[in-house]
Amino acid sequence: GAVVSQHPSWVICKSGTSVKIECRSLDFQATTMFWYRQFPKQSLMLMATSNEGSKATYEQGVEKDKFLINHASLTLSTLTVTSAHPEDSSFYICSARDQAYEQYFGPGTRLTVT
Amino acid sequence: GEDVEQSLFLSVREGDSSVINCTYTDSSSTYLYWYKQEPGAGLQLLTYIFSNMDMKQDQRLTVLLNKKDKHLSLRIADTQTGDSAIYFCAESMRGGADGLTFGKGTHLIIQP
Repeated sequence: GAVVSQHPSWVICKSGTSVKIECRSLDFQATTMFWYRQFPKQSLMLMATSNEGSKATYEQGVEKDKFLINHASLTLSTLTVTSAHPEDSSFYICSARDQAYEQYFGPGTRLTVT
Repeated sequence: GEDVEQSLFLSVREGDSSVINCTYTDSSSTYLYWYKQEPGAGLQLLTYIFSNMDMKQDQRLTVLLNKKDKHLSLRIADTQTGDSAIYFCAESMRGGADGLTFGKGTHLIIQP
């Protein structure tokens, strides 16, 4: 089946710094990718929809200037958490949509902000 | 807004059937999904059902949908230790075209 990777799988950063998370579709092209956030024992919450070659669409309550999304190619979307704070610590999961509109999920990136 | 509810834990004996339940509030949900999440791995799509269906069976998995009550269930027959994982119910109006709305996940615990 289709494979989606994320890098890094785990990152620790200091408060005030920025962190970039990559989401790649390895064996298919994805014009659309989605970014989710998951807190412990909570559901995945959709943060934004990333469209190749255009601006991302953010869900209500998600700060677009804090969570920068770039989808520069058909196989790569990046999420940059700018000026990270401890409350941004979470598990970030991406999914990539193939041409049949099936979504395939990455393994997630655990971000810890100290 | 949309809401998907699941119980957090389910414990079953190996060999028994597991039934994981889910309720949703959005009556316009068209696609309903079950995903499996194992430690360190991405979400794996197990099965999905369209809102115009009542039941779908795929090997050991049976999905039942009661659209009137907005209730979805996943039955795993002959539960094995490899079935131990977190199971997420999710819904969407337009299938994979949009982001999905997930429940909190049910942790399935298998007793020997």
